[in-house]
Amino acid sequence: GEDVEQSLFLSVREGDSSVINCTYTDSSSTYLYWYKQEPGAGLQLLTYIFSNMDMKQDQRLTVLLNKKDKHLSLRIADTQTGDSAIYFCAEFGANNLFFGTGTRLTVIP
Amino acid sequence: NAGVTQTPKFRVLKTGQSMTLLCAQDMNHEYMYWYRQDPGMGLRLIHYSVGEGTTAKGEVPDGYNVSRLKKQNFLLGLESAAPSQTSVYFCASRGSSYEQYFGPGTRLTVT
Repeated sequence: GEDVEQSLFLSVREGDSSVINCTYTDSSSTYLYWYKQEPGAGLQLLTYIFSNMDMKQDQRLTVLLNKKDKHLSLRIADTQTGDSAIYFCAEFGANNLFFGTGTRLTVIP
Repeated sequence: NAGVTQTPKFRVLKTGQSMTLLCAQDMNHEYMYWYRQDPGMGLRLIHYSVGEGTTAKGEVPDGYNVSRLKKQNFLLGLESAAPSQTSVYFCASRGSSYEQYFGPGTRLTVT
């Protein structure tokens, strides 16, 4: 099946930018997603990007897609303590979502 | 608008017991999914359904059964629970777009 990889941890200082990276294997994926999971809660869709796009910006969030390298990143500008959570990258293929392991973002005040 | 709801929120089972997790959605979505989430492993798909009366196996289906008798409900059953099934279970649904909506999760412990 599809393989989606992320680093497990990231720490940043409040006010700095965070960059969370993801690599995927299925070059035919149509959509790639970023989900946020706060402690004890379900997954919340943050943003997604269609595979024919290179970049998508949504307020403090910027998604970059490098199809050649199968690399996806999520940049959070002006990171706040409320951004502390686990962030999952996911690719859509064969009617289903395939998730990475999640990156735990810790924001240091 | 409740979205996706899951019942129960928490459950503790003894090895060998059975139980059913209920997922309900009020968005008239065709697709529904059951995932399990384990530390360091992300979410893995157990079973899914592409419409009322249909079910299909996902990545980790062994030990689980599902039913989709009504469009709005997707049930996940454990016939004989094992400690390896201790996990957090998430249900999700999707309509014609590619966006999946997730429930709040069920935390299951099997002792």
